[in-house]
Amino acid sequence: QVKLQQSGAELVKPGASVKLSCKTSGYTFSTSYMSWFKQIPGQSIEWIGMIYAGDGGTGYNQKFKGKATLTVDTSSSTAYMDLSSLTTEDSAVYFCARGMGITYYWGQGVMVTVSS
Amino acid sequence: DIQMTQSPHSLSASLGETVSIECLASEGISNYLAWYQQKPGKSPQLLIYYASSLQDGVPSRFSGSGSGTQYSLKISNMQPEDEGVYYCQQGYKYPYTFGAGTKLELK
Repeated sequence: QVKLQQSGAELVKPGASVKLSCKTSGYTFSTSYMSWFKQIPGQSIEWIGMIYAGDGGTGYNQKFKGKATLTVDTSSSTAYMDLSSLTTEDSAVYFCARGMGITYYWGQGVMVTVSS
Repeated sequence: DIQMTQSPHSLSASLGETVSIECLASEGISNYLAWYQQKPGKSPQLLIYYASSLQDGVPSRFSGSGSGTQYSLKISNMQPEDEGVYYCQQGYKYPYTFGAGTKLELK
């Protein structure tokens, strides 16, 4: 079955960067889209952007341009999201999800805490 | 950005009751509307896509309807496992946007 396994929780200092991973199985990764989302606990969900694994083409929410960079490694069926210049406002749960627009399967989420 | 206005903010339902959640888009989204259920500490689960298509494995007591800017999710025969937060989301235009969520509790 389709699985999206995200990396573990991160505690990072302000100004630092972090790279989150999303390892997939159970479907053809190289012809699929992957989307990423941000959710501050207790709040709604924000779409960060998406990447097409076939050619690495991306689309971003303007709000996250310069903050998030999406990449893929088709050899390991893994998607990545780099978050840079982290501030306390970036503390949140981040999800990967298969699909574009409508997302059919989600990873379990990873908590990123930005604190000195 | 397309704003998604969801109502009500919260509701409680008795076992077996039917409830509805509404979602209003700030412009037409051509049925590119999804509904998700999220339980505490878990990732969202897709229930309905393209406004009215039931995702595989989702009980048939969930149904979606609507067109243009107005959409709704109906849950018939409320069950304990239906407790959670429900979100609508438009997948029509960048940036894809979500409603604020509706918290559903069992009375």
